[in-house]
Amino acid sequence: SQTIHQWPATLVQPVGSPLSLECTVEGTSNPNLYWYRQAAGRGLQLLFYSVGIGQISSEVPQNLSASRPQDRQFILSSKKLLLSDSGFYLCAWVGGRHYNEQFFGPGTRLTVL
Amino acid sequence: KNQVEQSPQSLIILEGKNCTLQCNYTVSPFSNLRWYKQDTGRGPVSLTIMTFSENTKSNGRYTATLDADTKQSSLHITASQLSDSASYICVVSAPGGGADGLTFGKGTHLIIQP
Repeated sequence: SQTIHQWPATLVQPVGSPLSLECTVEGTSNPNLYWYRQAAGRGLQLLFYSVGIGQISSEVPQNLSASRPQDRQFILSSKKLLLSDSGFYLCAWVGGRHYNEQFFGPGTRLTVL
Repeated sequence: KNQVEQSPQSLIILEGKNCTLQCNYTVSPFSNLRWYKQDTGRGPVSLTIMTFSENTKSNGRYTATLDADTKQSSLHITASQLSDSASYICVVSAPGGGADGLTFGKGTHLIIQP
């Protein structure tokens, strides 16, 4: 069966510090991968998605970036965090019987102070 | 602009009672609608998926309905349990798939009290 991992689970970082969140998927090959942010009281916001190694599409202009160095690895980064980057970050992949049915990882809670 | 509106924003009910959550959408064209359950601090987990031709789909104590004509969906929870406390998110998908084909609601925060 397929599983999706994210780490770290929680992170507290000062403003201006760098960020690296990692997502890996097991049990599938060439998945479409997604990064979402969920701010308090708001819906899921799509940040990036990737259909393959080295292929990144950005949905929202911001100080975050994403990379896909391996087929089942998706990384979310920032060179300098802002207070507004605080939130719950979710990685997801597409699979299942229904096209674009998304399966989400456990999430990373990021607090920028 | 494609939108998904969920109501109520939050809901508190007593354990054992039933409740119904609403989802109205303006997404067009339409492919499918999904309900997710998201426990606090966890990723969303899919409850049901319905395509255009499906009116009702059940998953245990969860029953989702879809009226594609009025663009409305509901999620009914029967005999609620404490473990049902979570946020419930409605997601509508446009045909063709792709990440930009999904529109998320902001969710309904449900609290079950003993």
